[in-house]
Amino acid sequence: DIQMTQSPSSLSASVGDRVTISCRASQGILNSLAWYQQKPGKVPKLLIYAASTLQSGVPSRFSGSGSGTDFTLTISSLQPEDAATYFCQKYVSAPVTFGQGTRLEI
Amino acid sequence: EVQLVESGGGLVQPGTSLRLSCVASGFTFDDYAMHWVRQAPGKGLEWLSGISWNSATITYAGSVKGRFTISRDNDKNSLFLHLTNLRPEDTAFYYCVKPRELLYDAFHIWGQGTVVTVSS
Repeated sequence: DIQMTQSPSSLSASVGDRVTISCRASQGILNSLAWYQQKPGKVPKLLIYAASTLQSGVPSRFSGSGSGTDFTLTISSLQPEDAATYFCQKYVSAPVTFGQGTRLEI
Repeated sequence: EVQLVESGGGLVQPGTSLRLSCVASGFTFDDYAMHWVRQAPGKGLEWLSGISWNSATITYAGSVKGRFTISRDNDKNSLFLHLTNLRPEDTAFYYCVKPRELLYDAFHIWGQGTVVTVSS
């Protein structure tokens, strides 16, 4: 099975900062990668799919890049409401797998 | 409005069974594959199973294969997950999710989840 490894596992940043979260696949997954945001007590929310396509309604400060095995989620100017845990997910084939999550504190 | 509503969770003893249900509304249910994902308390997301629109393709995570069974009833816009031989480590929120377009695709619609607690 393809494993997804996120880094860092947690980070602390300030309002206005530029933040990047990395996700690495153990094998190539083309661009079949999504990013989710989950706030405490809430359901995960899709932010980005196909590695770099912004889901409708998601603020443009979120962006994704990468293909193959290395991917990045970038928040260009951090806002207080971005405090959450972020997960990557590969969906090229079964089994679908998620990264272990990155907890972002602001 | 697109909506997924799960039910069927509860407190059960180890070794017992449970059937989770998910009713979909706001989209043409039988046009889409569906999946189940779970999240243990304070832990990450774990994909469990997916089923194609016509039930012809069904896949499972290795951790639940042989114990959990996914099914659907397109006439009732419903998705099911039958959990058997439950273990304490199956304690989690269980989410019904809709992929964007394909069987294997990003999950853009999530239900609110139903809680399963396995404890003696």
